[in-house]
Amino acid sequence: DAGVTQSPTHLIKTRGQQVTLRCSPKSGHDTVSWYQQALGQGPQFIFQYYEEEERQRGNFPDRFSGHQFPNYSSELNVNALLLGDSALYLCASSLWEGSYGYTFGSGTRLTVV
Amino acid sequence: KQEVTQIPAALSVPEGENLVLNCSFTDSAIYNLQWFRQDPGKGLTSLLLIQSSQREQTSGRLNASLDKSSGRSTLYIAASQPGDSATYLCAVNSGYSTLTFGKGTMLLVSP
Repeated sequence: DAGVTQSPTHLIKTRGQQVTLRCSPKSGHDTVSWYQQALGQGPQFIFQYYEEEERQRGNFPDRFSGHQFPNYSSELNVNALLLGDSALYLCASSLWEGSYGYTFGSGTRLTVV
Repeated sequence: KQEVTQIPAALSVPEGENLVLNCSFTDSAIYNLQWFRQDPGKGLTSLLLIQSSQREQTSGRLNASLDKSSGRSTLYIAASQPGDSATYLCAVNSGYSTLTFGKGTMLLVSP
């Protein structure tokens, strides 16, 4: 049973560029959430997608956007990258509101130079 | 707004010791609480999930307890091993489709 798969594992981008991160949820899960984790901090909630729509959003600017596809996979897009966007981006999948817990992927390490 | 605090921030123990990691949260209206392990630069591995109606959960050498009324959870690790060295994160699900995390406890178990 495959868990959550994220790609790429590492990424280096230049300030001002755009980036797309991808996530495939655990088999049987229908909800995908994205988190940003800065060094030494706990993950911070970006947004969650269910039935191809954004259901909840954390305190992140509109430069952060996402999408969920009919097969439940998801993308996170970040425009106009800032140095402060450098972080580990984690994808989590779940059923409905996480009543059975969340399963996380291995993350994408984004470095903005 | 839910806030989660983990104490201590770091812990160093010799192999074989039993230890307790603490997590406190400000809003007791939670769905469940999940403990995760994170190795350096890696993703999160779920250790234990405690539903709001439960008092504790056990998995091998790990035992997590939940006291919703006081806003506290503890993760007990028995007979610690060097392979237990990692950062342990507590995450609270208050509904609203989000998890709120503490900053974690960095554990080092020396041989």
